[in-house]
Amino acid sequence: DTEVTQTPKHLVMGMTNKKSLKCEQHMGHRAMYWYKQKAKKPPELMFVYSYEKLSINESVPSRFSPECPNSSLLNLHLHALQPEDSALYLCASSHKIRQGKNTEAFFGQGTRLTVV
Amino acid sequence: AQSVAQPEDQVNVAEGNPLTVKCTYSVSGNPYLFWYVQYPNRGLQFLLKYITGDNLVKGSYGFEAEFNKSQTSFHLKKPSALVSDSALYFCAVRDMGKANTGFQKLVFGTGTRLLVSP
Repeated sequence: DTEVTQTPKHLVMGMTNKKSLKCEQHMGHRAMYWYKQKAKKPPELMFVYSYEKLSINESVPSRFSPECPNSSLLNLHLHALQPEDSALYLCASSHKIRQGKNTEAFFGQGTRLTVV
Repeated sequence: AQSVAQPEDQVNVAEGNPLTVKCTYSVSGNPYLFWYVQYPNRGLQFLLKYITGDNLVKGSYGFEAEFNKSQTSFHLKKPSALVSDSALYFCAVRDMGKANTGFQKLVFGTGTRLLVSP
């Protein structure tokens, strides 16, 4: 199983709403990532979790709140978003990189978020 | 800082012809390079990677890439294009910064749209 599953596939939310994006993997990966991809742009890293602890926050606004409840799940809680936050949100996972080893990241299909 | 450049926004090729999608990199130290493909409204699918070893890397769906250290390039190639190869292709490099030790933090190029005509 080399699949990263994201739900929902599409989400429309108002600027006062609270919603959550979910991501799940069963590959035994202990590193999980959130990327944001604006239209016609490359993905940009938002957060990295390692062993369920937040390791990297790329100066993301606090209206985005990640959570990693266990080694298979990664959530992104959304609150008071702006229209410019509309984008494709991609989850990814990988093994931790051991000395002298490397491995690719596997991506989910993304959640297409529209903020109205 | 690590970076990759994809000089072409779009590449057009006829079905059955060979294709090349270009990527150049700028890194300090040894590069860890990747190619991903993205179909419309979909996530990224891993195609291949270069870590070390042979300069010609073979990947999924008949794609391969040639690592050229002197030219700092990692071009994606396929001997015979299919219409179904039409998609957005991203070259990426692993960010080797100290804060990213152990993680697969990827820095992506701007992407190249491949259009294969019948």
